Parts: sequence; C-alpha cells; structure tokens
Amino acid sequence: QQKVQQSPESLTVSEGAMASLNCTFSDRSSDNFRWYRQHSGKGLEVLVSIFSDGEKEEGSFTAHLNRASLHVFLHIREPQPSDSALYLCAVSIGAGSFNKLTFGAGTRLAVCP
Amino acid sequence: EAAVTQSPRNKVAVTGGKVTLSCNQTNNHNNMYWYRQDTGHGLRLIHYSYGAGSTEKGDIPDGYKASRPSQENFSLILELATPSQTSVYFCASGDAGEAEQFFGPGTRLTVL
Repeated sequence: QQKVQQSPESLTVSEGAMASLNCTFSDRSSDNFRWYRQHSGKGLEVLVSIFSDGEKEEGSFTAHLNRASLHVFLHIREPQPSDSALYLCAVSIGAGSFNKLTFGAGTRLAVCP
Repeated sequence: EAAVTQSPRNKVAVTGGKVTLSCNQTNNHNNMYWYRQDTGHGLRLIHYSYGAGSTEKGDIPDGYKASRPSQENFSLILELATPSQTSVYFCASGDAGEAEQFFGPGTRLTVL
C-alpha cells in the first residue's frame, strides 16, 4: 500500500527566505503528485500539480519531482506571513475511473515577519 | 461561488448517537469522496462513490456508512458515534479518471 511521508513536520522561516518541503512516496508506479495548502480551520487549496520528472512552477510555488529517488519537493519563493499554513502532499496512481489520493501528514510552515 | 459545500460545519454528538454529514457539489462530477483529517495522519479516505447509487469502501470504512442518492449529494453516516470518530471530515468531488479533487470546507465533529 502506498505510503507518503513528509518532512520536516514543522518549519519556521523568515519572510522572503526560500522554504523547501520534502515528500517521499513508496510506489514507483505513482504518476500524479499534488501539493495543497490548508490555512488553519479552512479547506484545501491546490498549489501545484506535477506528472513528470522535473520542475513545475505556479506563481511562487515550484514542485520538483524525481521519481527515481521517490521524492517530490515544494519550494516556496519569498514566502510571506500569509503563507503560514499546513502543506500537504498527495500522490496518486492513474487507474481507470478512480484515482485514489494518498496524503502525507503535512508540514506546518510558519513565516515570520 | 463554492462548488462543494458541507453541512453542518460544526457538530457535537453524544456517544451512541446517529450522525449524518452532508455534502453537495455543483461541479457535475461523477466521483465523490469522504475523508477524515487527524493530526499526524493527513487525510484518510473513508468512502467514495462513482455516481448516484454507488458507494465503495475506502481505507478506513469501519464505523461509517455512505449514501449517494443523486449526482450532487453524498452523505456520511455514523450509526453509533464513538469518541474516536472525533475529527474533521472533508468531502471532495472529481471527474472520473482524473486525479484532481475539489474539496469542501470541512465539518468539525466532536463526539462526547
């Protein structure tokens, strides 16, 4: 069964400094990777989706996928205090009409002014 | 305009009571999902549905039932609520064959 782990559990950075989050997965057949942001008490907001090795940029968020090493990273360029939130990695394997998302436990990011 | 809505947003129930959480989507998606979110576990899949009349078990279905009476509505039912079911529950919808899922705002359930 797919296992998704995120590190670190929590991260504090200064406003404007790069933040890097790590997600590892266990199933090499995985082909769909998403990063979500969740502000406290709110729902999930998709930040970036990536399907092939390399990088995908969406605004200040860049996902980097390396399937050989079973890693997908999220880099946040010049984070603001409003980026303080829980960041969730989700991995899926395309299979027919149902795509099951497996989530990591999340990284809690705090951005200090 | 929110495409996935959940009700209630907050619920306090007593042990042994019946709880129904409701979800409505206006995306016209075939697939709908129920997850629970607990600290240290991320989101875990409870039940899902391919369309009206269908329900399937996810990874942690014990203690939960689901109902999909229409394309738009998907309910999660706790027949005999227990304190271990205290959690935040999220509903999502998605197109068949697509990994993208669109999430509702969540329901915070407390079972005393």
